[in-house]
Amino acid sequence: DQQVKQNSPSLSVQEGRISILNCDYTNSMFDYFLWYKKYPAEGPTFLISISSIKDKNEDGRFTVFLNKSAKHLSLHIVPSQPGDSAVYFCAATVGNSGGYQKVTFGTGTKLQVIP
Amino acid sequence: KAGVTQTPRYLIKTRGQQVTLSCSPISGHRSVSWYQQTPGQGLQFLFEYFSETQRNKGNFPGRFSGRQFSNSRSEMNVSTLELGDSALYLCASSRGTGQTGELFFGEGSRLTVL
Repeated sequence: DQQVKQNSPSLSVQEGRISILNCDYTNSMFDYFLWYKKYPAEGPTFLISISSIKDKNEDGRFTVFLNKSAKHLSLHIVPSQPGDSAVYFCAATVGNSGGYQKVTFGTGTKLQVIP
Repeated sequence: KAGVTQTPRYLIKTRGQQVTLSCSPISGHRSVSWYQQTPGQGLQFLFEYFSETQRNKGNFPGRFSGRQFSNSRSEMNVSTLELGDSALYLCASSRGTGQTGELFFGEGSRLTVL
């Protein structure tokens, strides 16, 4: 049961244009969402996050949008740069009083930014 | 500060053998999570340890086990290896409290089962 889904396994974008990566989730209990970036031969690194009480969070060229009613989030990268070429994982977690952190990941989208 | 360290980085085993992977978290981090990454499956959660106790467990068979030591270092073990266990095994650490889900990953241990 894939609770976090990234339906596009790959995406190609021209340098300077906008990259939009999409993610859907099924578990309505998720209340914190994250994006991670992974280069080959490296572990994933945290990129940006958003709490369920917000619908947008921005950090430089990266913006994450959350639509709770549609159980959908997206990552926008503007402008896209060749160094952004990587696999992007969407992730979600459920907070609770114990501070447990079982983070559920999607299957990833491979972004290629063409110079 | 030093990042998450995983050893070994690469290993080859044959079916039926067992393997132990090691993870040293970032200093001060008390939570260690393990993930399996395979093509098309993304990162599948194996288990999470906090202060030597398993707090969360994913949907993997009992052949997959782990433990955490008092210094927060963690090991995971896979017994009776199957071909399908070939994967990149990623360890991630965090402070373990709070509910933000931000994890710091190691570079992974790539296991090939022949």
